[in-house]
Amino acid sequence: NAGVTQTPKFQVLKTGQSMTLQCAQDMNHEYMSWYRQDPGMGLRLIHYSVGAGITDQGEVPNGYNVSRSTTEDFPLRLLSAAPSQTSVYFCASSYSGNSYNSPLHFGNGTRLTVT
Amino acid sequence: KQEVTQIPAALSVPEGENLVLNCSFTDSAIYNLQWFRQDPGKGLTSLLLIQSSQREQTSGRLNASLDKSSGRSTLYIAASQPGDSATYLCAVRWEWATSGTYKYIFGTGTRLKVLA
Repeated sequence: NAGVTQTPKFQVLKTGQSMTLQCAQDMNHEYMSWYRQDPGMGLRLIHYSVGAGITDQGEVPNGYNVSRSTTEDFPLRLLSAAPSQTSVYFCASSYSGNSYNSPLHFGNGTRLTVT
Repeated sequence: KQEVTQIPAALSVPEGENLVLNCSFTDSAIYNLQWFRQDPGKGLTSLLLIQSSQREQTSGRLNASLDKSSGRSTLYIAASQPGDSATYLCAVRWEWATSGTYKYIFGTGTRLKVLA
């Protein structure tokens, strides 16, 4: 199993450009989520999904869109990049359901710079 | 609103010392709590997961405890080593049975430095 795979690892955007951060997992996890990590701020939840076709907003959703058309993939879209979105982005997944207490698995992150 | 707090933000200790990292959460109706380690510029590595029905979990020199009634978890590191230097984060899973949804919220982390 590859686990949680994030692409790209690094990205530089100009203000106003759009892009999609990719996240894929091969563990058949129902739960997938996106976090951003900024110095001194810990990890802040952007969007999350408890299954295909279901998404919800986290703590800092503004400026980001998500969709979940398959169990495996959970892309994060920046429609019009802003310098405030310069951050490291992590995708994470886990099993759901009352019969599981699965740990949260993380990808290696995408370092995004918006100039 | 569910919130997770970690104090202190940074900690520096001499090698060999036993130490305790703290994690507090606002809503005691948690599903589980997980401790992670993050090295500079790297991703997160899961250390321990405590289910809501458990009081503690142990892995090697690490012991995590959970007290839901007081909204606290502690991570105990025995005989600290320079290789333990990293940022330690806790994450709490809350879920809502009526809507079938749940999410994980992270604390801001404690940056640990163990001096040789």
